[in-house]
Amino acid sequence: KNEVEQSPQNLTAQEGEFITINCSYSVGISALHWLQQHPGGGIVSLFMLSSGKKKHGRLIATINIQEKHSSLHITASHPRDSAVYICAVRSGSNYQLIWGAGTKLIIKP
Amino acid sequence: ETGVTQTPRHLVMGMTNKKSLKCEQHLGHNAMYWYKQSAKKPLELMFVYNFKEQTENNSVPSRFSPECPNSSHLFLHLHTLQPEDSALYLCASSPDRWAGEKLFFGSGTQLSVL
Repeated sequence: KNEVEQSPQNLTAQEGEFITINCSYSVGISALHWLQQHPGGGIVSLFMLSSGKKKHGRLIATINIQEKHSSLHITASHPRDSAVYICAVRSGSNYQLIWGAGTKLIIKP
Repeated sequence: ETGVTQTPRHLVMGMTNKKSLKCEQHLGHNAMYWYKQSAKKPLELMFVYNFKEQTENNSVPSRFSPECPNSSHLFLHLHTLQPEDSALYLCASSPDRWAGEKLFFGSGTQLSVL
């Protein structure tokens, strides 16, 4: 079992829908990252958070340290949001990044 | 554009070939990384360089050989690869290996080994 689990693995939704992607982890962490990978490969960092909530445009990331859980929300989803969303945690003990397998999101027009 | 450039974008090679992947960053970062991404699997960290010194080698087979001539450039030399080495190889950089800031990724090299 991975130390970082994402759900769902795949998600297809209609344009305009509210999207939630979940990340659960089993280790102590110093920070959690959400990243976006578009077809073509490049990965872009969206958020780094260690507590509470962050918002950037239509994207919102939350983390609950006690429950070892984070969510990434997308409001008013658009086809250009179609990508793989990856959760990664930085271990609090050895500072290594531990990666989730990603959630593939498809937004249909 | 993240400031990290990888070449080539695509590479097809036979098992007996020797090739190199190149990564260049213009962000003034001191840490550079090679990752392997296979389909539907988490990213696998291969090598880490911090201030041009290799600080991590995650049990990577010797057919992969990294080189970091300076803080801006990173190479991955490939020889006698196996078909299971086919994957997306991603380079990343960060200000420092231990500072915990976010990573900046290149677009990757999609490698196919025949």
